[in-house]
Amino acid sequence: RKEVEQDPGPFNVPEGATVAFNCTYSNSASQSFFWYRQDCRKEPKLLMSVYSSGNEDGRFTAQLNRASQYISLLIRDSKLSDSATYLCVVGFTGGGNKLTFGTGTQLKVEL
Amino acid sequence: DAGVTQSPTHLIKTRGQQVTLRCSPKSGHDTVSWYQQALGQGPQFIFQYYEEEERQRGNFPDRFSGHQFPNYSSELNVNALLLGDSALYLCASSLGPSGSSYEQYFGPGTRLTVT
Repeated sequence: RKEVEQDPGPFNVPEGATVAFNCTYSNSASQSFFWYRQDCRKEPKLLMSVYSSGNEDGRFTAQLNRASQYISLLIRDSKLSDSATYLCVVGFTGGGNKLTFGTGTQLKVEL
Repeated sequence: DAGVTQSPTHLIKTRGQQVTLRCSPKSGHDTVSWYQQALGQGPQFIFQYYEEEERQRGNFPDRFSGHQFPNYSSELNVNALLLGDSALYLCASSLGPSGSSYEQYFGPGTRLTVT
């Protein structure tokens, strides 16, 4: 079983749609959780950290369920510019700070 | 405020050769992590350097080694290159190995092609 699992997609959605990404992780001792965005042939960029209380940043909402080891990202009113790969990332500090990435979910927002 | 920088941007090497990749962390950051990203995959953790020491290592062979300098910059060395080493190599910087936010910021990467 992979440490971080995501649906690879692609998710093809019309502009203005709401889209949800889900992710599960296997290490119950994980301590930090993130969503990164990666455009084609570019580096991953931090989209948002994820907290148990849930957090929102404009059109983006992230949720964490530690009991179920489940992380989600909701994008409302999607824009063409949201087209990218979204990476679910889990951090564990065992003498350092190692980030474990999912394979990413590809989103294509269309006119 | 300079972000994470990496050099070179692209590199082509032959099987069996050795390669050195370089990274300068974001201003104010003291910890550097290296990741390998194969096509269609998420980045895979190679190792992390803090205070000029390797603090944590992923499942990579000893052919992969690194170094951190007093100015916090870092190098990744790969010996005896294999075709499978072709990938995007990403450097990420953060503040402290177990900083309160754990957030890591990535450089643009070095795309290595082994022929």
